[in-house]
Amino acid sequence: GDSVTQMEGPVTLSEEAFLTINCTYTATGYPSLFWYVQYPGEGLQLLLKATKADDKGSNKGFEATYRKETTSFHLEKGSVQVSDSAVYFCALSGEGNTGGFKTIFGAGTRLFVKA
Amino acid sequence: DGGITQSPKYLFRKEGQNVTLSCEQNLNHDAMYWYRQDPGQGLRLIYYSQIVNDFQKGDIAEGYSVSREKKESFPLTVTSAQKNPTAFYLCASSITQGRYEQYFGPGTRLTVT
Repeated sequence: GDSVTQMEGPVTLSEEAFLTINCTYTATGYPSLFWYVQYPGEGLQLLLKATKADDKGSNKGFEATYRKETTSFHLEKGSVQVSDSAVYFCALSGEGNTGGFKTIFGAGTRLFVKA
Repeated sequence: DGGITQSPKYLFRKEGQNVTLSCEQNLNHDAMYWYRQDPGQGLRLIYYSQIVNDFQKGDIAEGYSVSREKKESFPLTVTSAQKNPTAFYLCASSITQGRYEQYFGPGTRLTVT
């Protein structure tokens, strides 16, 4: 079945460091791909998305490119801030095996940014 | 402002009691979802609804029930049959079920003792 695998955390970085959080997926068909962010005690917020191969999603300095050939959607940011400390979830939404659509979330990667 | 509201933010119950979590959206979305999140874990789908008066079981529906009598509302009841009900519960909605992003509420933290 469809699945999303993202790198285990926590990831600890110093302010202004470069961030990469890896995400790979397994899916039939052509899913849409998403990154969501969750701040402590809150719900998830959509960070960025891409709906087809080679699309690049971007928001608030974060970027991710839909790579069909490597089935990946890695999240990157050139210079992280303390306020970026949160849990990041990679997700896909596509047709399930039994028809209809299903959204699958990765396990989440916690990011700590030190001042 | 459009969005999803969940109430209450924190809920405490004694074991053996049923409890209902509220979820309301004013985004005019057709699809709504309930997820459970345990500490350090990802999201697990409990129930979802694509349209009023219709809902489907997700991956961990046992011990839970839902209703969808209005487009805006999708309450979740945690019954006494749920063996480990203490968790963070998240409600979400999307325009319809498909390759669309989901919009999440702030969550309800349920503690059962």
